Amino acid sequence: DAKTTQPNSMESNEEEPVHLPCNHSTISGTDYIHWYRQLPSQGPEYVIHGLTSNVNNRMASLAIAEDRKSSTLILHRATLRDAAVYYCILRVPQPQGAQKLVFGQGTRLTINP
Amino acid sequence: NAGVTQTPKFRVLKTGQSMTLLCAQDMNHEYMYWYRQDPGMGLRLIHYSVGEGTTAKGEVPDGYNVSRLKKQNFLLGLESAAPSQTSVYFCASRIGTGPFYNSPLHFGNGTRLTVT
Repeated sequence: DAKTTQPNSMESNEEEPVHLPCNHSTISGTDYIHWYRQLPSQGPEYVIHGLTSNVNNRMASLAIAEDRKSSTLILHRATLRDAAVYYCILRVPQPQGAQKLVFGQGTRLTINP
Repeated sequence: NAGVTQTPKFRVLKTGQSMTLLCAQDMNHEYMYWYRQDPGMGLRLIHYSVGEGTTAKGEVPDGYNVSRLKKQNFLLGLESAAPSQTSVYFCASRIGTGPFYNSPLHFGNGTRLTVT
């Protein structure tokens, strides 16, 4: 299965940008890169996904390297509510047209006031 | 809309007991998933379903069974609970067909299960 590698933890200050890196050197040409986050005592929450081009939505931006072996989730202006575990995931196609998302250990993001 | 609802929220079992975890979604999603989350191990896929009446094994299926008799419900069963099954269980669903191939997962808030 395709794997991702993320730092175990990162720390940032409120109202500053945060760049969360992810390495996925074994990514295949058709794998999408997904990001989820998980707040304490809740289920994971979708953040963003992309294939080759950089992507923006109301929550974050996703910057994908030209060779697609790494990507970076960007929170433009972190708030205390952004403190969570962030997961970088590759979509893995399965038989019957199904997919599964392989979750690694994620990055625990701490935001300082 | 309630989204994805899991019941119960908490449960304590003795070794050897059985139980069923219920997942219900009201979004008419085709695909449903069961994950378990253990400290330091991220989320691991137990079983999944691509539609009503179908199920498939994930990466850690042993000791669990599932059923998808109705499109909106996905049940996870433990026939004979073991302490190694102490975990937090998450259900998820998503649109899975056609142009929604990369649709995001919608998760419930989990069931915390302790097996003593």
